[in-house]
Amino acid sequence: AQSVTQPDIHITVSEGASLELRCNYSYGATPYLFWYVQSPGQGLQLLLKYFSGDTLVQGIKGFEAEFKRSQSSFNLRKPSVHWSDAAEYFCAVGAWAAGNKLTFGGGTRVLVKP
Amino acid sequence: DAGVTQSPTHLIKTRGQQVTLRCSPKSGHDTVSWYQQALGQGPQFIFQYYEEEERQRGNFPDRFSGHQFPNYSSELNVNALLLGDSALYLCASSLGIPRGEQFFGPGTRLTVL
Repeated sequence: AQSVTQPDIHITVSEGASLELRCNYSYGATPYLFWYVQSPGQGLQLLLKYFSGDTLVQGIKGFEAEFKRSQSSFNLRKPSVHWSDAAEYFCAVGAWAAGNKLTFGGGTRVLVKP
Repeated sequence: DAGVTQSPTHLIKTRGQQVTLRCSPKSGHDTVSWYQQALGQGPQFIFQYYEEEERQRGNFPDRFSGHQFPNYSSELNVNALLLGDSALYLCASSLGIPRGEQFFGPGTRLTVL
């Protein structure tokens, strides 16, 4: 069975500072990995995805993530955060063998200080 | 191009009642998945419909059932509502399975009193 762990429940960062959100996954085969963002009262918006190939993935809104198979990690980064980046971020693993069912982590809430 | 739409936006029910939530997929998509997101948690997979059949199911009781129509829209039905069913219900659509990026709707907030 697949699982995702996001160790940090809350992160507070100053505007303009860098941000890194951690994600660890467990899956027996090659994982398909995603980062989604959810603003209050909204659905989920896809930031980026990893299927194969280059382990450094670029996404929307200036985000990037790096897949490290040896560490079973897929951490999300942004060099300089904006106040509008305050939201909840979810890492998810998809399994082609399970019909692309997504398994999500518990989420990390990001607060941005002015 | 309309994205995934869900109705209603909010819903309040009492214990023991039944509820139906609706989802229209993104144009061109043929697969619909439903997720339950309890407050402060990540979404959990309920089930997935493709070609009007349930293809995958998560760890949810039979009180949760669904349907997909020929136009690919879908319904989620929950019978004998419990307080613990209070959550945001998210619908996601994609093109084909197993591949296909999932696009999420805004969700339906269900409150059970």
